[in-house]
Parts: sequence; structure tokens; C-alpha cells
Amino acid sequence: DAGITQSPRHKVTETGTPVTLRCHQTENHRYMYWYRQDPGHGLRLIHYSYGVKDTDKGEVSDGYSVSRSKTEDFLLTLESATSSQTSVYFCAISDGTGYQPQHFGDGTRLSIL
Amino acid sequence: GDSVTQMEGPVTLSEEAFLTINCTYTATGYPSLFWYVQYPGEGLQLLLKATKADDKGSNKGFEATYRKETTSFHLEKGSVQVSDSAVYFCALLNSGGSNYKLTFGKGTLLTVNP
Repeated sequence: DAGITQSPRHKVTETGTPVTLRCHQTENHRYMYWYRQDPGHGLRLIHYSYGVKDTDKGEVSDGYSVSRSKTEDFLLTLESATSSQTSVYFCAISDGTGYQPQHFGDGTRLSIL
Repeated sequence: GDSVTQMEGPVTLSEEAFLTINCTYTATGYPSLFWYVQYPGEGLQLLLKATKADDKGSNKGFEATYRKETTSFHLEKGSVQVSDSAVYFCALLNSGGSNYKLTFGKGTLLTVNP
């Protein structure tokens, strides 16, 4: 299994509070991704990173920011959480060479009340 | 843009039945195609892949063939088991430029009854 650790695994918080989710990898892969999974929508890309301090937006980036100061860590921040951001969040990694698949973490279940 | 359409579920089968989950795609160029599986409470696991036309991916009794002429990548298994109950996602990877982003279908829930 790819070495991907997401933390926390579960979190409940209140509307308006800041939230940071962490993804840590031990594979030294260049690419890292944040997705959210919601019923009826499958997985949607929030942000991704193609190197240290190199990030770009995905299709549902509003309300989210990311940072990558080290190859192994990719942080997702909700500056002021809203109930619409209640979801399951997945981190994924890939080496970005050729047509290699992405490997996923176990997810973080976030509930915003 | 790229898109993936897979059959809507849920799909309910009896053990040992034949499984087909349809997946079609729209993409420019020559994408790679994947099937991922998500068991309850877990993340997505790569089930199989195909990187060019006519490739057949296979794993754990599941198969899918990359059909460029019909832009399809249907998942099949000859005899399902209760342990195959999960959500299955079809996805494509189009590595144009520097973006190695997956495009997912919405997922198909499979339930296999004993």
C-alpha cells in the first residue's frame, strides 16, 4: 500500500471556524491532490500540487486553500468552514510519470454543524 | 473537457452472478483508463488499468477492455462474491500539459447477496 496518512480521520466543528486537514506521504511522489466525495457527485478535485510550493486549483476550489512546504506534506485549509463543506476528503498522490494511477489515502470525514 | 459516464446504481446481484458495469468517456488525445473500488469506510483502491486502445486490464477476476472505437471501458466479472460489494469508480487520466488529473464517474454501488 502507498504510504499516505491523512489526519485527522474524523472531525466535527462549527460553522465559521478554521479547519486544516493534513496529508502526509512517504513515497516522495511529486504530485499530491485533494478531493471531496459527496453523494451523487463522485469525487471532485479541490486543489493539487505538482511540487513544493507549486499548487493549482481544481474544479471546486472556492472556500479552500492549500499549502505544500515539503514534498511529503500537503495541507488543505478551510478558512471559515460552512455546512456545505461537510464531506469526506481524500488525499491522493502520484509520481506523475507516464500514465501512472493515483493512490488514495483513507479519507477524513468532516462534519460542520 | 474530459468526462466519464458510468451506469447508475445501485446494482444488486446474487452471489455467482455475472457483473457488468458500463463506463463510457469523452476525452481528447489518448487517455489512460482506470477502475477504482471503494469498500465501506475506506479510501479508493486501484482495481485495474489500461493505458492504450485494446489493452485489457485485469485483477481479482475483474476485467475491462479499452475500446477506443466505442470510447468505453466496461467492467466485468464472471462470478461475483459477497466480498465484492463496494462502490466502483471509472476514471480517466489525460496527461496533457503538466496536469495529471483524474476525471471520475459518479460511482456505481454494487451489493452482492448470498
